[in-house]
Parts: sequence; C-alpha cells; structure tokens
Amino acid sequence: GAVVSQHPSRVICKSGTSVKIECRSLDFQATTMFWYRQFPKQSLMLMATSNEGSKATYEQGVEKDKFLINHASLTLSTLTVTSAHPEDSSFYICSAREDHYGYTFGSGTRLTVV
Amino acid sequence: DQQVKQNSPSLSVQEGRISILNCDYTNSMFDYFLWYKKYPAEGPTFLISISSIKDKNEDGRFTVFLNKSAKHLSLHIVPSQPGDSAVYFCAASAQNYGQNFVFGPGTRLSVLP
Repeated sequence: GAVVSQHPSRVICKSGTSVKIECRSLDFQATTMFWYRQFPKQSLMLMATSNEGSKATYEQGVEKDKFLINHASLTLSTLTVTSAHPEDSSFYICSAREDHYGYTFGSGTRLTVV
Repeated sequence: DQQVKQNSPSLSVQEGRISILNCDYTNSMFDYFLWYKKYPAEGPTFLISISSIKDKNEDGRFTVFLNKSAKHLSLHIVPSQPGDSAVYFCAASAQNYGQNFVFGPGTRLSVLP
C-alpha cells in the first residue's frame, strides 16, 4: 500500500529555535499533503494543506509565518516550526492522498519545546 | 460547533464480543467518511471508508454503516480482539470542500481479554 514516511518521530528543542519536520510519500506522488496537529486527548486539527509547487493553504487561526510549509517536490513536504515556544509542543502528523489507497498518514512527530 | 461528534469518549468490550463505535455529523454536505485507528505516539491508520452512495461497507472484521437521514455512522468490529484497543476517529469530508477532513474527537476502545 501507499506509505508516508515522517521524520523525525520525536524531537526536543530549546525555546526560540526552529524545527523542521519532513513528510515523504515513498511509493507514490502526492500533489497535495496535509499537516495536522493533535493536542493531548483531543482530535486531529488540520493546520494547512500543502500543494506541490505553490503556497500552502492555512486553516483559520494557524500562523503561516510560524508554521512554514514547503512542498518542493511531488514526494516531499516539510513543516518548519519557527521560533518554537513551549505552547508549540504537540504531536504533528502529515498525510497524503493516493488514488488507489486513499489517505495515508505519516507516523507523526512528537515535538517538545523546553 | 463540532461538525463531527463521537459522544462516547471511551468504550470497553470483552474479547470476542462486538464493538460498536458511533459517530454523528451535522453537515449535510459531507459525503465521504472514514474511520481511523490510532495507537499512542503513532500516526492514525486508515481502517475503512464509506461514501454517501452506500449504506454499508465491510472489510474483514470491520463494517461501517451509514444512515444519511440520521447523519449517523457506526463502526462494528466483530469479533473484538485485544489488539483492537486504540483510539478510533471518524472523519468526514465533502467533495465541494476539497480534500479537507473534519475529525471527530475519538473514542478510546479497550478490549478486555
């Protein structure tokens, strides 16, 4: 089936630094990828839709200057959390849609900002 | 206002019995629904989907039922196994809204041996 690889799985960073999370579609091309955030004991919240070769579409309330999304190729989308603060600590998940298998999720990234 | 609701935050079922997870939605434009399973610190895993042209879809131990008039769908797991213990999310989307999915808050299923 379609596989989406997400790295890193876990990252701890200091407040004020930036962190990059990568999402790769391993055996299919993904023109669109989605980035979600999950707070403890809450559901997944869509942050933004990443479109290959164009600007990402952000959901209301998501700071686009803080959460930079780049979708430079059909198999790679990156989310960079800039100037991270403790309140950015969360579980970030990407997903992509493949025509046959539908939506596939990455394994997620646990970000802890100290 | 939550467009996708899962009113039971948790459910416990004995191994071998049926697990029924429920999901209600408010937006009549939703026409495609999915169920995901999620273990702690992992990404969700797709389980089963159903489009609004159907009222039932079955895949092995998993069956999803859709009642459009009631705006309700349910996931049946038969027989339940301890490995099914996880959080289950239902998600809905509408063709006209592109590919954005709205997720329910999840139901934690515990299958007791």
